[in-house]
Amino acid sequence: AQSVTQLDSHVSVSEGTPVLLRCNYSSSYSPSLFWYVQHPNKGLQLLLKYTSAATLVKGINGFEAEFKKSETSFHLTKPSAHMSDAAEYFCVVTLVDDYKLSFGAGTTVTVRA
Amino acid sequence: GAGVSQSPRYKVAKRGQDVALRCDPISGHVSLFWYQQALGQGPEFLTYFQNEAQLDKSGLPSDRFFAERPEGSVSTLKIQRTQQEDSAVYLCASSLLDGPYEQYFGPGTRLTVT
Repeated sequence: AQSVTQLDSHVSVSEGTPVLLRCNYSSSYSPSLFWYVQHPNKGLQLLLKYTSAATLVKGINGFEAEFKKSETSFHLTKPSAHMSDAAEYFCVVTLVDDYKLSFGAGTTVTVRA
Repeated sequence: GAGVSQSPRYKVAKRGQDVALRCDPISGHVSLFWYQQALGQGPEFLTYFQNEAQLDKSGLPSDRFFAERPEGSVSTLKIQRTQQEDSAVYLCASSLLDGPYEQYFGPGTRLTVT
């Protein structure tokens, strides 16, 4: 079985400062890892995914994440937050050849002007 | 192009009523998924279709939940005799192929059982 733990339920940052969202995973086998974003009243949107290629993954809107097997982590970062980044972020794990996504509980990001 | 659409967007049902939630996946997508998202939680897997075949229904919480995709495109999630604990957002997703490919999510249906 696989699971993820998002270490922060809420993160508040000032516009223009870095964003760090922490995620640890548990998986018996080689995992695929994703970050999704959910804006209010909109569907979940894929930010980026790791599927056993490069450990540093670049996504949309300036986000990136690094897969660290030794730490079982997949933290999401962005160098400079924008107001439009305010949303709910989900870390997701699945097995490399599986379809069933396991979501974390989510991290709410607020951006202060 | 059109994304995944769901209807209705909001549904209020009295306890004991039956409800039907509809999902229109992206045209040509083979795989279709239903998830349940309780307030303040991440989505949880309910069921999976490959074309018209329901290959996995391990996440359905009870036999009051039933899903179908008879022609391999539109899918309906039906909940019979709704209970308060069924209140949640129901998300539909589709993907082009099987496996860990990107799943494209619809906006969800928010079900409130009173």
